[in-house]
Amino acid sequence: ETGVTQSPTHLIKTRGQQVTLRCSSQSGHNTVSWYQQALGQGPQFIFQYYREEENGRGNFPPRFSGLQFPNYSSELNVNALELDDSALYLCASSLSGVINYGYTFGSGTRLTVV
Amino acid sequence: GNSVTQMEGPVTLSEEAFLTINCTYTATGYPSLFWYVQYPGEGLQLLLKATKADDKGSNKGFEATYRKETTSFHLEKGSVQVSDSAVYFCALSPNAGNMLTFGGGTRLMVKP
Repeated sequence: ETGVTQSPTHLIKTRGQQVTLRCSSQSGHNTVSWYQQALGQGPQFIFQYYREEENGRGNFPPRFSGLQFPNYSSELNVNALELDDSALYLCASSLSGVINYGYTFGSGTRLTVV
Repeated sequence: GNSVTQMEGPVTLSEEAFLTINCTYTATGYPSLFWYVQYPGEGLQLLLKATKADDKGSNKGFEATYRKETTSFHLEKGSVQVSDSAVYFCALSPNAGNMLTFGGGTRLMVKP
C-alpha cells in the first residue's frame, strides 16, 4: 500500500508568479484535502476534492485553486504569489464515508516566495 | 466556528518523565478529536483519536480521553523517550465532514 506522495519537496518562487503543487493519493483513497502550514503554526484547511469537484473550502482567496483527476491525484495552484504564501503545503487523502479514520498526510512541499 | 487551543511550547522534559499536553476545543455538536505528531522534515502522522465523549484513544504509550464536560482532550504519556521529541497537534473534525481544524502545535523536547 503506497502512501501519499507530493512533489516537488522544495520550491522557490518570486512574488507575482504562479505555482503548481502535485499530490498522489494513497491507494484506495478517493478524497484529497490540502492544508497550508505556516512556520510555527498548525495546518490550515484550504479545500477538499471528491469526485473531481471541490467539496469544501477554507478561508483562502480564489487565487488558490485545485484539481482532482480521475485517478484521484490532485494539484494545488496558486496564482499571483505573495510573500505570505511561503509555507509547507500538505496534501492528505482519505476515503469518503469513513469519517476521518483514513486520513493519510504526505510529507509536504515547502514553498518559499521571495 | 470550530477552534482548538493547545498549551504553548516548547515543553522540555528529561527521559522517563511524565508528559501532559493540554488541548481544549470549541465546536458545535459532537466532533471527533485527534492527536497528530510531526517529526522534523516530515508530514503529519495520526497518533490517536476518539470519536465520542468518554472515549480514550491510545497508541505507543500515549493516551487522551474525550472530555465533553470540559471540552478537553489532553495528551499524556507516563514515560517519554528521546525519540518522542516532535511537534504535537490537537485537531477536531465535525462528524458530518472531513475538514480538520488544528491547534497551533506544541513542541516537545526530551533530553537524555
